[in-house]
Amino acid sequence: AQSVTQLGSHVSVSEGALVLLRCNYSSSVPPYLFWYVQYPNQGLQLLLKYTTGATLVKGINGFEAEFKKSETSFHLTKPSAHMSDAAEYFCAVSRMEYGNKLVFGAGTILRVKS
Amino acid sequence: GAGVSQSPRYKVAKRGQDVALRCDPISGHVSLFWYQQALGQGPEFLTYFQNEAQLDKSGLPSDRFFAERPEGSVSTLKIQRTQQEDSAVYLCASSGTNYGYTFGSGTRLTVV
Repeated sequence: AQSVTQLGSHVSVSEGALVLLRCNYSSSVPPYLFWYVQYPNQGLQLLLKYTTGATLVKGINGFEAEFKKSETSFHLTKPSAHMSDAAEYFCAVSRMEYGNKLVFGAGTILRVKS
Repeated sequence: GAGVSQSPRYKVAKRGQDVALRCDPISGHVSLFWYQQALGQGPEFLTYFQNEAQLDKSGLPSDRFFAERPEGSVSTLKIQRTQQEDSAVYLCASSGTNYGYTFGSGTRLTVV
């Protein structure tokens, strides 16, 4: 079975500060890992994904994440927060890159203070 | 279409009423998923179609939930005799070969 734990249901940062959203996963097979962002009353938008190869993955809007197998982690970072980053972020794991269900964490709401 | 389209966007149902939620995936996408997102929670898997075949329905919470995709394109999620605990956002996602998942904006169901 696969599962995802997101530490911190709410994270608050100042504009321009580092964003760090934590994600740990459990998987009995090599995982495919995803970060999604959800704005109010909208669907999920893919930020980035890890499939195979390079463990540091760069995504849209300046976000990146590093796959650390030894720590079973896939934390999301952004060097400098922008007001428009305020949203809810979900980490997810799957057995395949596509065509297989995603198992999501409970989400982290990011607040950006001016 | 350009994206995954879900309708209606909002649905209010009286307890005990039957509802039908529609998902129109991206043209040509083979795989289609339904997820349920309760307030303050992450999406949870309900069911999965590959073309018209329902390959996994392990996430459907009860036999009141039924999904179909008869022609391998549009899908309908039906909930019979709705209960208050069915109140949630229902998300549909599709994916094709060599493409990741694209999510629709969801249907917010409120059972009163």
